[in-house]
Amino acid sequence: QSVLTQPPSASGTPGQRVTISCSGSSSNIATNHVYWYQQLPGTPPKLLMYRNNQRPSGVPDRFSGSKSGTSASLAISGLRSGDEADYYCAAWDDSLTHWVFGGGTKLTVL
Amino acid sequence: EVQLVESGGGLVQPGGSLRLSCAASGFTFSSYSIHWVRQAPGRGLVWVSRVEGDGTGTNYADSVKGRFTISRDNAMNTFFLQMNSLGAEDTAVYYCARSANGYIDYWGQGAQVTVSS
Repeated sequence: QSVLTQPPSASGTPGQRVTISCSGSSSNIATNHVYWYQQLPGTPPKLLMYRNNQRPSGVPDRFSGSKSGTSASLAISGLRSGDEADYYCAAWDDSLTHWVFGGGTKLTVL
Repeated sequence: EVQLVESGGGLVQPGGSLRLSCAASGFTFSSYSIHWVRQAPGRGLVWVSRVEGDGTGTNYADSVKGRFTISRDNAMNTFFLQMNSLGAEDTAVYYCARSANGYIDYWGQGAQVTVSS
């Protein structure tokens, strides 16, 4: 059982826009930044979004992040086959005093 | 180029021990906290442990507290995870990762740990 809750799967067709949600609580998302990681098959996670909505260098602007209250979301527009991956949200938890992750969302491009 | 390279994984019997290493390069090692995060087969990411840049502060997930010990050797740019009393539930790919400015930004390729008789 992950501390942050994500839908196990999401899907879309090429060119579409999809959104992945991440639900937390007052001890994590509500009071701390949210981060998103992309894990392509057979590879380690890669930082996709930091401090809720900031993209690291090299991440295309098709990816965007937002946060409101105890929830956050990752949006991917102009979906491509290369976006097929597992996506994880993460945040620091003030009560547990360590990082917590979502269970991951497997994105399929139909 | 930032690199984190894990080693020391393998097959171990229940109740046994294993020490993972992570060799770092491409950045000022002592300026970063280092984490271990694991991923069981077909499952999500789970944070395991953290050691601060100067090695004085450490944290552990409740599931490994008292069994795992994280440490670092800044002179060798290497950090370690000593794992004792291993059980089947510890079977996972173990990633080392660095953080600065409050978040994890780079991950190693991972080391497979399998606990089985």
